[in-house]
Amino acid sequence: GAGVSQSPSNKVTEKGKDVELRCDPISGHTALYWYRQSLGQGLEFLIYFQGNSAPDKSGLPSDRFSAERTGGSVSTLTIQRTQQEDSAVYLCASSLAAGAPGGEQFFGPGTRLTVL
Amino acid sequence: GESVGLHLPTLSVQEGDNSIINCAYSNSASDYFIWYKQESGKGPQFIIDIRSNMDKRQGQRVTVLLNKTVKHLSLQIAATQPGDSAVYFCAENEPGGGNKLTFGTGTQLKVEL
Repeated sequence: GAGVSQSPSNKVTEKGKDVELRCDPISGHTALYWYRQSLGQGLEFLIYFQGNSAPDKSGLPSDRFSAERTGGSVSTLTIQRTQQEDSAVYLCASSLAAGAPGGEQFFGPGTRLTVL
Repeated sequence: GESVGLHLPTLSVQEGDNSIINCAYSNSASDYFIWYKQESGKGPQFIIDIRSNMDKRQGQRVTVLLNKTVKHLSLQIAATQPGDSAVYFCAENEPGGGNKLTFGTGTQLKVEL
């Protein structure tokens, strides 16, 4: 594919439900990142994966949030028992390399999550 | 209380003028900085980057200046065009954090015809 893709583009859910957000990175990119962007704000780092290394989960806001990356490619971000404050745009990015500065991150269009 | 984050700083410029967008970063140890442009409904798009061993870098119509003494970044856009209208974010890469980026809150650039 030409770029990072994310699905769904929009998700509306009820408070307390679980949601799964999907990210397809650029083929060959070893690093994958999840960010959250609340209305009118900058991006907040959530988690990142680099190759087969253990992911950096330091940005996950609570244990209701988890992510996995299967086969070093597609990633799924799962939010359990969603709360209204989880409403945001969830952005995924990928890059060729991590661990050293300079690996340009390419962003997907995001998934807009609305929790009613 | 008021949510400051809902009120992005806004810069309005006339088409053809130069724009300067400023950013203060937080970590004096950060060694890599990036400017991103985000149009409505889209993900951020890379504009230009700079490493901490430089104080200026130029691209096509854009220049980034880095002042490590006061932890300040600026993005200069020459001959601003309507297509430049977007929210601009600076981001810093903290050493030892892989490529994890810390983003600023953003500046809304509006280009008036």
